[in-house]
Amino acid sequence: QPVLTQSSSASASLGSSVKLTCTLSSGHSNNIIAWHQQQPGKAPRYLMKLEGSGSYNKGSGLPDRFSGSSSGADRYLTISNLQSEDEADYYCETWDRNTRVFGGGTKLTVL
Amino acid sequence: EVQLLESGGGLVQPGGSLRLSCAASGFTFRSYGMSWVRQAPGKGLEWVSAIGGGGDTTYYADSVKGRFTISRDNSKNTMYLQMNSLRAEDTAVYYCAQVQGGANCYWGQGTLVTVSS
Repeated sequence: QPVLTQSSSASASLGSSVKLTCTLSSGHSNNIIAWHQQQPGKAPRYLMKLEGSGSYNKGSGLPDRFSGSSSGADRYLTISNLQSEDEADYYCETWDRNTRVFGGGTKLTVL
Repeated sequence: EVQLLESGGGLVQPGGSLRLSCAASGFTFRSYGMSWVRQAPGKGLEWVSAIGGGGDTTYYADSVKGRFTISRDNSKNTMYLQMNSLRAEDTAVYYCAQVQGGANCYWGQGTLVTVSS
């Protein structure tokens, strides 16, 4: 089954940009993934679905500041013009026929 | 507007049982797969189980296989998770989610399950 690897933490300044990475394990580099955001004390929120081609499909109401891209087995979530409310945990998720897997999550701190 | 509301969580002793419910509204329930995802205190998200729209296909994480059973009643727009032989490591907030195109696209607010003596 696939494995997703994420850095445990990231930080960036208010108003700047940050690029979070999710890496798919060998043999799964073509998998579609999803990005989810979890603000402190809240339920997760779906952000987007991201293909290996770099094409992505955002959830309803998601600001244009959020975008996705891909390179090989890496899937990226870029957040531009960082706001205080972007401070959250970010998880990637993938799936195959019989299972689904989450990455360990990246805790984003907005300085 | 898609709404998912979990219920049924609580405190249960090790070895005990609990049934969670997820009431859905705002979409054609029978047309979508659904899943359960849990989050232990201070930890990340862990997929638990999924079920197809018709209820005839079910999938489980190895950690719960043989102990948990997922089901749904499309006439009541409700999904269930029957949890038996509960262990301390099952302590978590349990979320239900609607699956669209493979991804968990809508999430409920979660219900807390605590397994402790």
